[in-house]
Amino acid sequence: GAVVSQHPSRVICKSGTSVKIECRSLDFQATTMFWYRQFPKQSLMLMATSNEGSKATYEQGVEKDKFLINHASLTLSTLTVTSAHPEDSSFYICSARDRGQGLSPLHFGNGTRLTVT
Amino acid sequence: KNQVEQSPQSLIILEGKNCTLQCNYTVSPFSNLRWYKQDTGRGPVSLTIMTFSENTKSNGRYTATLDADTKQSSLHITASQLSDSASYICVVSDQAGTALIFGKGTTLSVSS
Repeated sequence: GAVVSQHPSRVICKSGTSVKIECRSLDFQATTMFWYRQFPKQSLMLMATSNEGSKATYEQGVEKDKFLINHASLTLSTLTVTSAHPEDSSFYICSARDRGQGLSPLHFGNGTRLTVT
Repeated sequence: KNQVEQSPQSLIILEGKNCTLQCNYTVSPFSNLRWYKQDTGRGPVSLTIMTFSENTKSNGRYTATLDADTKQSSLHITASQLSDSASYICVVSDQAGTALIFGKGTTLSVSS
């Protein structure tokens, strides 16, 4: 079945540094990918919608200059957390929809646990 | 305002028992409703997708129902197993498919 690979699964970084998270669709093309943030015992919060070849659409309250999204190809989207701070520590998940299937399920990556010290 | 409400927030059952999770939504116009299972520290995995014309859909021991008139859905788990312990998330899509509204999930714990 369709697989979305997210890397890294865990990352620890120092405050002030930047972290890049990759989301790849392994066996299908995804014109649209989604980035979420999830706090403990909470549901997923959509941060932004990433469209291949164009600018991402950010949800209200999400700083586009802090969370940089690049969707350079039909199989890869990246989320860069710039100048990370401890409050950015969270679980980040991406998802992608197979453009070849009209009512296809969203395929989720396994998430990235970011810890900022 | 488009909303998806799930109940109960958490549930504990004994292995082998059945359980039913609820999802009520106010999304309009409605396109489809999805149930996902999310294991701790992992990404969600799709269980079922239902459009407005479908009333019931099964995936193994998981059976989802949908009443588009009352805007309610349920996920029934039969003969629960320890591996069913997870968070179950209801996601509703609007007719354009551009908006996905997530419920807060139900945390299920299956004990032996």
